[in-house]
Amino acid sequence: AQSVSQHNHHVILSEAASLELGCNYSYGGTVNLFWYVQYPGQHLQLLLKYFSGDPLVKGIKGFEAEFIKSKFSFNLRKPSVQWSDTAEYFCAVIDTGTASKLTFGTGTRLQVTL
Amino acid sequence: DAGVTQSPTHLIKTRGQHVTLRCSPISGHKSVSWYQQVLGQGPQFIFQYYEKEERGRGNFPDRFSARQFPNYSSELNVNALLLGDSALYLCASSPRVQAYNEQFFGPGTRLTVL
Repeated sequence: AQSVSQHNHHVILSEAASLELGCNYSYGGTVNLFWYVQYPGQHLQLLLKYFSGDPLVKGIKGFEAEFIKSKFSFNLRKPSVQWSDTAEYFCAVIDTGTASKLTFGTGTRLQVTL
Repeated sequence: DAGVTQSPTHLIKTRGQHVTLRCSPISGHKSVSWYQQVLGQGPQFIFQYYEKEERGRGNFPDRFSARQFPNYSSELNVNALLLGDSALYLCASSPRVQAYNEQFFGPGTRLTVL
């Protein structure tokens, strides 16, 4: 069964610091990859997704992620975080063979201080 | 346009009771998926329904069941509640059956089992 690992459970950064959140998945077949974000008191919403093509994908609010197939990784990055980026971030994967469910990681809580 | 709506917002039940959670997808979306999010964990897939048929099932006991109605709304039923069923239950809708289509999440129903 596929699984997703997010190694950083809680990250604290100062405003303007650079961010990189790790995500690794276990499935060896063709996958689609996602990052979702949950701001305090809000719904889960899609930040960015990778299906195929350019392994560097750009999302909303200046976030980007790089798919490295050889490392089974899909790390999320942002050059300069803002206080408003404080949220919980979830990496998720779909096995294109089953195509019916998202498998989520356990999430990373990002706290940005002023 | 209205997003995914879920009712009720919060619910408190006691062990052994039954609960029904409701979800209305975004207009035009025919697929509804249910996820359980236990505190400190990522969402876990429970069911997907498309065109009133079950298209996917996660690793949950038979106490969990769901259905989808002709208007594409959905209910999640949980029988014989256990303390471990306490969680945020999320509903997500998408326009087609393949989960790699972006899934739009509702605000969730917070279930507490005492």
